Formats: sequence, C-alpha cells, structure tokens
Amino acid sequence: AQTVTQSQPEMSVQEAETVTLSCTYDTSESDYYLFWYKQPPSRQMILVIRQEAYKQQNATENRFSVNFQKAAKSFSLKISDSQLGDAAMYFCAYTPNAGGTSYGKLTFGQGTILTVHP
Amino acid sequence: DAMVIQNPRYQVTQFGKPVTLSCSQTLNHNVMYWYQQKSSQAPKLLFHYYDKDFNNEADTPDNFQSRRPNTSFCFLDIRSPGLGDAAMYLCATSRRARAQYFGPGTRLTVL
Repeated sequence: AQTVTQSQPEMSVQEAETVTLSCTYDTSESDYYLFWYKQPPSRQMILVIRQEAYKQQNATENRFSVNFQKAAKSFSLKISDSQLGDAAMYFCAYTPNAGGTSYGKLTFGQGTILTVHP
Repeated sequence: DAMVIQNPRYQVTQFGKPVTLSCSQTLNHNVMYWYQQKSSQAPKLLFHYYDKDFNNEADTPDNFQSRRPNTSFCFLDIRSPGLGDAAMYLCATSRRARAQYFGPGTRLTVL
C-alpha cells in the first residue's frame, strides 16, 4: 500500500523568506502523480502544485517549486518570498496513474501547519 | 469560473435526523469524491463515482450513502447522524485520475 509521510507537523517562516516543507512517499508504482495542497484555516483546499512522476523536471508555480527526487521517493515544497497569505495547513498527496483499486484515489500525508511571521 | 459548489456551507442537525449534503460542479469532470475531514486531520475518502460507477471505501459506515443523478451533481446522505459524524464534508472532482479540485466544504454540526 502507498504511504505518504510529512515529518514536520509545524513549520514557521518570516515574511519574505524561504521555507521548505518535506514529504516522502512509498510506492511500488513507476507512474504516478504527486501534489501539494494548501488549506487555510476554515477555508477551501486548494491545489498548489503537481508533479508527474515520469517528468524529470521539477514543477514550478510562481513562488512555489518542488524538489522531486524519484529514486529517494522525496517530494519537498519550497515557498519563496513567503507571504502572510501562505499561512495554512499543507498536505502532500499521491495518486497512481494506473488501473486497480487505488486508481484516482489520493493518499494524503498528515499535513504540515505553516505559520508566517510578519 | 469553473468550480465545485457545495450547499449548504453550514448544516446543523439533530442526533438521528437524516441530512443531505449537495455538491455540484461546472468543470465537467467525470470523477466525483466525498471526503470527511475532522479537525487538523487529512481528509478521509468516503466514496467516489467514476462516471456512473460507485466505489465505496471498505471502512465507510453504512450510515453514509451517496447519489449521483447526473455528471454535474452528487449528494451525500447521512441516514442517522451521530455525534461522531460532526465534521467538515468535502466534495472534490477530477478528470480521470488527475488532480482533484475541492469545493469549500459543508461543516456539519450534530446536536
């Protein structure tokens, strides 16, 4: 079974600085997707960034970028120039891109609460 | 803008009184999901529809049922809510097994 682990329950960063959130996963699949989702307090879960496993290039979306290490099964999220609005719970998630009972299902990590200090 | 809409945003019900939560989407995605999320936890998948095919998670209580009358709408029925069912219920959609897009959620309170 696939598992996703976020080893940092909480992280904090000063406004305008850079922070990296860690995520590791375990799977026997070779083709899959990885995601980072952001959920501000009492607000909607938003897709931040996605990575396709067969693409070697790390995904980037404005201030958000990932470091995808397929062999190490590591998928960290880097937030540059942190803003107060980045404060949220961040979930790392995995889904296989193949048939079977897990097809289409997201496996989430435990989440990391990010605090941004002004 | 294309989106996932959930109604109501807040629902209060009494112990044992059936409740229905609704989800609609304008993304024309073929897969729709229902999750239960309790405070500071990751969402827990209850079931999903892949097109018209219903897929129930093994540990989803029988108390929870779902209907998908058409591509755009999906409903979550809780037949006899208990205190432990108080949670945020999230609807999500995806095209095939790609990224899921979430609605704002319905917060259910059980008195």
